[in-house]
Amino acid sequence: AQSVTQPDIHITVSEGASLELRCNYSYGATPYLFWYVQSPGQGLQLLLKYFSGDTLVQGIKGFEAEFKRSQSSFNLRKPSVHWSDAAEYFCAVQYRGYNKLIFGAGTRLAVHP
Amino acid sequence: DGGITQSPKYLFRKEGQNVTLSCEQNLNHDAMYWYRQDPGQGLRLIYYSQIVNDFQKGDIAEGYSVSREKKESFPLTVTSAQKNPTAFYLCASSYEGTDTQYFGPGTRLTVL
Repeated sequence: AQSVTQPDIHITVSEGASLELRCNYSYGATPYLFWYVQSPGQGLQLLLKYFSGDTLVQGIKGFEAEFKRSQSSFNLRKPSVHWSDAAEYFCAVQYRGYNKLIFGAGTRLAVHP
Repeated sequence: DGGITQSPKYLFRKEGQNVTLSCEQNLNHDAMYWYRQDPGQGLRLIYYSQIVNDFQKGDIAEGYSVSREKKESFPLTVTSAQKNPTAFYLCASSYEGTDTQYFGPGTRLTVL
């Protein structure tokens, strides 16, 4: 079955430190790949997406993600975290020709001052 | 201002009652979706619609119903048959079924 794994349920970093959130997907075909962010009690905001082309994708709020086909991964990174980045982050995939977004369980990010 | 609106933000329901959650978009998107979110889990697809007057079941459609009479609107009814309806419900839309999905602010439903 198609699935998305976010291995880290909670991550805590200090403000100004670098961040990497992991995401792996199952199934052989290369899907469309997304990262969304959710603040408490809010909807999801799209951070970035990968459809094809350059495997390093730039998004909003200083985030970037790198698609690695050999590892079936799409990890999210930020060089310097701000306190306002504290939120829950969801990785999602969509296989070509299908409407369905498949979500990971999310990673909750806490930022220490 | 273009976007997706959901109402109400909070909804309380007694057991045995049906409730309807509203989702409206003015983005001129063809496709609309309903997801359910539970603590510690990702989003799960309830129903989706690619075009007016057409919709398909997602992974967890039991106990829910939808309609798509207008392009802008995709209301979700949570029926009394839904065993555990307390959750956060998110509506999304996209230009077409395989395009990027954008989300509304959500409705939190609590069954008393």
